[in-house]
Amino acid sequence: GQQVMQIPQYQHVQEGEDFTTYCNSSTTLSNIQWYKQRPGGHPVFLIQLVKSGEVKKQKRLTFQFGEAKKNSSLHITATQTTDVGTYFCAEGGSNYKLTFGKGTLLTVNP
Amino acid sequence: NAGVTQTPKFRILKIGQSMTLQCTQDMNHNYMYWYRQDPGMGLKLIYYSVGAGITDKGEVPNGYNVSRSTTEDFPLRLELAAPSQTSVYFCASSWGNEKLFFGSGTQLSVL
Repeated sequence: GQQVMQIPQYQHVQEGEDFTTYCNSSTTLSNIQWYKQRPGGHPVFLIQLVKSGEVKKQKRLTFQFGEAKKNSSLHITATQTTDVGTYFCAEGGSNYKLTFGKGTLLTVNP
Repeated sequence: NAGVTQTPKFRILKIGQSMTLQCTQDMNHNYMYWYRQDPGMGLKLIYYSVGAGITDKGEVPNGYNVSRSTTEDFPLRLELAAPSQTSVYFCASSWGNEKLFFGSGTQLSVL
């Protein structure tokens, strides 16, 4: 499967600050999915992006898919302690196998 | 709906022992997956199945075997357990190129 590189690996913020994680690929992605994993939990689906330049919002979360479909980002506005966890991007190939990035661990200081 | 159910939640094995991690889903999904998660390494695909009777290798299949005799069940077999197989194992299912539903995971230690 394709490799998706995710940065940063770790991010620590003060509650109320914004947070962004990036997902990059050297090749064109067919689609990108984002998951959140709380500490000690399992990954939970957040969103799927399919179209070039697509932007989707879920409350304080904004997801973008690059125009060239080689990168994606997840932005959280005004973080809260409930946002703590690891955020993964995953590339969905044509053979139904998802390839996950290594994730960004977000910690929030109250 | 229970979703994706994995058992056991925790297990300690001795080197050379074998075991089966159970996974069942009640959503009638055709696609099922086994991932392992090591600290800081994301999730790596071990095996996957696109339907009953069909399985295929993922990125890290060595030391594991799977079977898919029914749509609901996708057990993962570890033969001759090694310390390198210490990890958290997640089973997941989906309709296809859509979102994955994950089980709660099995934490396995091989000592």
